[in-house]
Amino acid sequence: SQTIHQWPATLVQPVGSPLSLECTVEGTSNPNLYWYRQAAGRGLQLLFYSVGIGQISSEVPQNLSASRPQDRQFILSSKKLLLSDSGFYLCAWSAGRALDYNSPLHFGNGTRLTVT
Amino acid sequence: DAKTTQPPSMDCAEGRAANLPCNHSTISGNEYVYWYRQIHSQGPQYIIHGLKNNETNEMASLIITEDRKSSTLILPHATLRDTAVYYCIEGGMRFGAGTRLTVKP
Repeated sequence: SQTIHQWPATLVQPVGSPLSLECTVEGTSNPNLYWYRQAAGRGLQLLFYSVGIGQISSEVPQNLSASRPQDRQFILSSKKLLLSDSGFYLCAWSAGRALDYNSPLHFGNGTRLTVT
Repeated sequence: DAKTTQPPSMDCAEGRAANLPCNHSTISGNEYVYWYRQIHSQGPQYIIHGLKNNETNEMASLIITEDRKSSTLILPHATLRDTAVYYCIEGGMRFGAGTRLTVKP
């Protein structure tokens, strides 16, 4: 069966420090991968998605970047964190080719980031 | 921006059916309607999806109108553990604010 791993579960970082969040998927090949952010009390904002290695689409210009160095690995990064980067970061995957809309999203357990 | 419209909150009595509406008037012909729910501090959980026909699984039923511009998620016998935010999305990946369902004893 397929599983998705995100780590760490919680993170406290000072303003101006770098960030690296990692997400890996097991049990499937060629997944579509996604990063979302959820501010406190708000809905899910799509940040990035990827349909293959090295292919990244950005939804919202911001202080973050994403990379996909391997088929089942998705990394969210920042060079210098801002207070506004605080939130709940969720990774997700879906099966199929190039955003097959007949395939549901499967989410990880998320990373709660607090920037101080 | 999300293209679906849902009421911000709803209450339901425990043991009764919960009917959560969603408007998706801009949905295109090949886009599916998906429903997810998010229990506090967890990642969203997939519930059900459909294209044209009504669908049912072990968690819920999905009723899609003939013109596909709206749908209703039905939880047939709501329990306290069904208290969550329910998201309806058209297509694959962009979420709106959802409906906060509170199941009351």
